[in-house]
Amino acid sequence: DAGITQSPRYKITETGRQVTLMCHQTWSHSYMFWYRQDLGHGLRLIYYSAAADITDKGEVPDGYVVSRSKTENFPLTLESATRSQTSVYFCASSEWGPQLAGGPPDTQYFGPGTRLTVL
Amino acid sequence: QQPVQSPQAVILREGEDAVINCSSSKALYSVHWYRQKHGEAPVFLMILLKGGEQKGHDKISASFNEKKQQSSLYLTASQLSYSGTYFCGTDTGNQFYFGTGTSLTVIP
Repeated sequence: DAGITQSPRYKITETGRQVTLMCHQTWSHSYMFWYRQDLGHGLRLIYYSAAADITDKGEVPDGYVVSRSKTENFPLTLESATRSQTSVYFCASSEWGPQLAGGPPDTQYFGPGTRLTVL
Repeated sequence: QQPVQSPQAVILREGEDAVINCSSSKALYSVHWYRQKHGEAPVFLMILLKGGEQKGHDKISASFNEKKQQSSLYLTASQLSYSGTYFCGTDTGNQFYFGTGTSLTVIP
């Protein structure tokens, strides 16, 4: 199916464990993004990627690692999960990114989200 | 860095109008508007670019004042389906920042 998917949709883990959230898009969009959404904070950008092997930090990158070896995949890893990383995580993709990074803006298409609970 | 949205919440009756404001402390290249229903992903509504170009929804309008770094979303003749949380997203050139959201509820 065309679109953007995330897995798992729900995850419960313990403090200190490593967790990887997956994101896959079938549009061949150049840009991909990871956001976290928390009550009172709205959506905050964690990392984004302009192309395979090109990533950049967003507003709240600490505690997260990303990679992008293939255009269609953009996994997000929490190397040592903390309770403060309990959140809903959204992946998004777009043909274009921030103005200075690549040109005219375009819409971002969001995945369904992953609800992560760190105990 | 995070833009400020106002109001935080609004309740409307069907057919009424609403305005949602978004204000940034940084210079902006573009403003994006999204709507999110409970438990779902945000969905694109509109992009406003410097110079006045707009791309998006044909029943929702918006404005972008580049000098004031402000944008407003205008919802006219609201329908029940307009209910949700509205977010503005701001492109400062090298980052995206989203506002904290405006909860809009349309009642019959």
